[in-house]
Order: sequence, then C-alpha cells, then structure tokens
Amino acid sequence: DAGITQSPRHKVTETGTPVTLRCHQTENHRYMYWYRQDPGHGLRLIHYSYGVKDTDKGEVSDGYSVSRSKTEDFLLTLESATSSQTSVYFCAIGGAANEQFFGPGTRLTVL
Amino acid sequence: GEDVEQSLFLSVREGDSSVINCTYTDSSSTYLYWYKQEPGAGLQLLTYIFSNMDMKQDQRLTVLLNKKDKHLSLRIADTQTGDSAIYFCAESGGGYQKVTFGTGTKLQVIP
Repeated sequence: DAGITQSPRHKVTETGTPVTLRCHQTENHRYMYWYRQDPGHGLRLIHYSYGVKDTDKGEVSDGYSVSRSKTEDFLLTLESATSSQTSVYFCAIGGAANEQFFGPGTRLTVL
Repeated sequence: GEDVEQSLFLSVREGDSSVINCTYTDSSSTYLYWYKQEPGAGLQLLTYIFSNMDMKQDQRLTVLLNKKDKHLSLRIADTQTGDSAIYFCAESGGGYQKVTFGTGTKLQVIP
C-alpha cells in the first residue's frame, strides 16, 4: 500500500464546532485530494492540491477549507461542522496516470 | 458533465467468472480505472487502462475497453470469496484532470 495515513480515524463532534482532518503521505507525490463518500453519491471531490500552498476547489467545497504547508501533509478543515457533513472522508495521492491511491479514511459524525 | 454508470449488484458462485460492466460519457477520457473497496477500508487501485488499448490482463483480472461504445468491463476469473467487495469504475482525462467515479458495483461471492 502507498504510504498514506489519515488522522483521526473516527471522530464525533457537535454542530458548529471546527474540525480538522489530517492526511500524511510518505511518497513525495505532488497531487493530493480530499473526497467524501456517501451512500448513493459515490465519491465526490472536495478539494485538491497540486503542490505546496497550491490548492483548488472540487465539486463539493462549500463549508470546507484546506491547507498544504508541506509536501507530505494535506489538512481538511470543516469551519463550522453541520450534520450534512457526516460522512467518510478519504485522502488520496495521484500518480502519473492520475491513478489515485487512497488512505484508510476518517469516519466523521456530526451530532 | 461526465458520468460513469455501473449496475449496483452482482452475485456469482465461487469458482465462476465475474464480469462487472461500466459505461461512461466523456469521449475525451484518457485513462479508465478499476478500484476495489472492502468494508471499512479505502479504495484500492486494481488496474487501469489507457484509452488506446482494447484489453489489459493482469493475473485473474481482464479489462476490456470498447471506446466506440464507451463501455468498460472487468472480468475476474475463478472468483473467490475474498473478491467480495464493491468495485468502482472511474475515468480521467489524464494529467491533472478530475477523476469521475461510478457509484460502485457490490460483488457477492456465494461459496
């Protein structure tokens, strides 16, 4: 498996609180991605990064922000968590053929 | 926009071949991928095919691409119970371009 870890693996939080999820890679890949996976919607891209300090929005970016200060770390922040953000969040890194290597996921529950 | 469609469910007997089908709409797709997701885990890249190829074989896996009909299939020979999972088809224009995922086909292998 590609060297991708996510933390925390599980989190329960309350509506209105900020939450930060961390993705860490040891592969020195340039491209990193955050997805959410929900029943009936498959995988949807939240944000992606194409280098340190270079990020862009995906299709479901409202309510989320990202930062990438080092090649190996890509952070996803829910500025004020809502129940609609209850989901499983996956980080991925991209290869030369844009193939994606996924982390193990973070299960987030917003009460 | 781009769309990738798959049937939701497939059931096969252990030892038989499984064929999972996928159709996509983007005629400029450069790469097509198959991923496997086991319960509680991230997506695992199984294989991918470049759009100028018709077929790719990797051990028990055979990918067939009909570019004219925008149809992709994954054949698993001698299906085992360990192959039970959700299989995702995906497509990308390559470089950095968005990867569009299907909603997944759940494969059930009956012993």
